[in-house]
Amino acid sequence: EVQLVESGGGLVQPGGSLRLSCAAPEFTFSSYWMHWVRQAPGKGLVWVSRINSDGYSIYYADSVKGRFTISRDNAKNTLYLQMNSLRAEDTAVYYCARMVNYHFDYWGQGALVTVSS
Amino acid sequence: QSALTQPASVSGSPGQSITISCTGTSSDVGSYNFVSWYQHHPGKAPKLMIYEGTKRPSGVSNRFSGSKSGNTASLTISGLQAEDEADYYCCSFAGSITWVFGGGTKLTVL
Repeated sequence: EVQLVESGGGLVQPGGSLRLSCAAPEFTFSSYWMHWVRQAPGKGLVWVSRINSDGYSIYYADSVKGRFTISRDNAKNTLYLQMNSLRAEDTAVYYCARMVNYHFDYWGQGALVTVSS
Repeated sequence: QSALTQPASVSGSPGQSITISCTGTSSDVGSYNFVSWYQHHPGKAPKLMIYEGTKRPSGVSNRFSGSKSGNTASLTISGLQAEDEADYYCCSFAGSITWVFGGGTKLTVL
């Protein structure tokens, strides 16, 4: 069974930073595109960012461009999301998800990020 | 990129069929055969139910089916069961290596 386990969520003040991690120990992590998707309280899923298998091709949603950085360490089977200049509207549960042929076949259970003073 | 349009809620009785629509544009749903559907029970990981518009992953009940016509995709659940009660989201590739989700539909099994 493929497992994705997010960590690093928490409470942070506006303007602060946080780094999320997503551990993927059970499959050939280096072969897959990986994504971050978030869900604000009471709202729907929103795509955040994608990184290709070798980490050299990266895309972001306009809402996080210039503030968030996606990266991966294939030797550690781990995906990251560095979030800087956080705003109240970034408050959400952040999910990592694996992509196969343009669909998300496995997701983590999410990490809650709360931006508040 | 605007979210795809889904009804906020649908409901049905056990054994009935329901259909959830997902309306996009010619830049996303209408241009690509990469529409997928996800079942999400709050607090849990979303689960892939349909991919490439009509295909069902191994292990997903054949009560779930997908279709697409023009800029609108649909998810149909037949023979409703209590455990189908969840939030459902559609998603489409939107070009330029971006993806767009629908706003989600809450399914209530009466």
